[in-house]
Amino acid sequence: DAKTTQPNSMESNEEEPVHLPCNHSTISGTDYIHWYRQLPSQGPEYVIHGLTSNVNNRMASLAIAEDRKSSTLILHRATLRDAAVYYCILSTGAGSYQLTFGKGTKLSVIP
Amino acid sequence: SQTIHQWPATLVQPVGSPLSLECTVEGTSNPNLYWYRQAAGRGLQLLFYSVGIGQISSEVPQNLSASRPQDRQFILSSKKLLLSDSGFYLCAWRFRQGPGNTIYFGEGSWLTVV
Repeated sequence: DAKTTQPNSMESNEEEPVHLPCNHSTISGTDYIHWYRQLPSQGPEYVIHGLTSNVNNRMASLAIAEDRKSSTLILHRATLRDAAVYYCILSTGAGSYQLTFGKGTKLSVIP
Repeated sequence: SQTIHQWPATLVQPVGSPLSLECTVEGTSNPNLYWYRQAAGRGLQLLFYSVGIGQISSEVPQNLSASRPQDRQFILSSKKLLLSDSGFYLCAWRFRQGPGNTIYFGEGSWLTVV
């Protein structure tokens, strides 16, 4: 399975932009890049996903490198509620469509 | 709209006792279903997934098992719990078509084996 690599932790000041990186050098042409986040004692929630083009939604933006070997989740203005573990995962093109989560990046937001 | 429920939310079980966690999805049909486990301070580990009734794939060999007796029902079981089975268990579902689909998680079940 294609794997992702993320920093273990990051810090950001409140109301500043945050760029969360993810490397996925073995990504295949049909793999989608998904981002989820998990608050303490809760199940992960969907943030954003993309295939080749950059994507924007109300929560965040996803910037995908041209070679697709890396991507960056961008939170435009971090709030205290954004403090969570962020997972970057690849959705395989295989028939089972399983999603394998890594350890993610723990984002701390400093007031 | 679709919803996912799992229960019980919390349970404390002695070593060697059986386990049954149940998950149901409403508002959709033929979903892919998943069981994940998260040990304290760790990432999510995929345990089982199912693409249809009676079709179970295991990702990690262990003393847990899963069953899908109905299209929108997914059950995680164990005949004899181990201390190492403690953790946060999450059921999830996803539309079957395409790797671009979002996965949706339930509220989670906290299991403590004592």
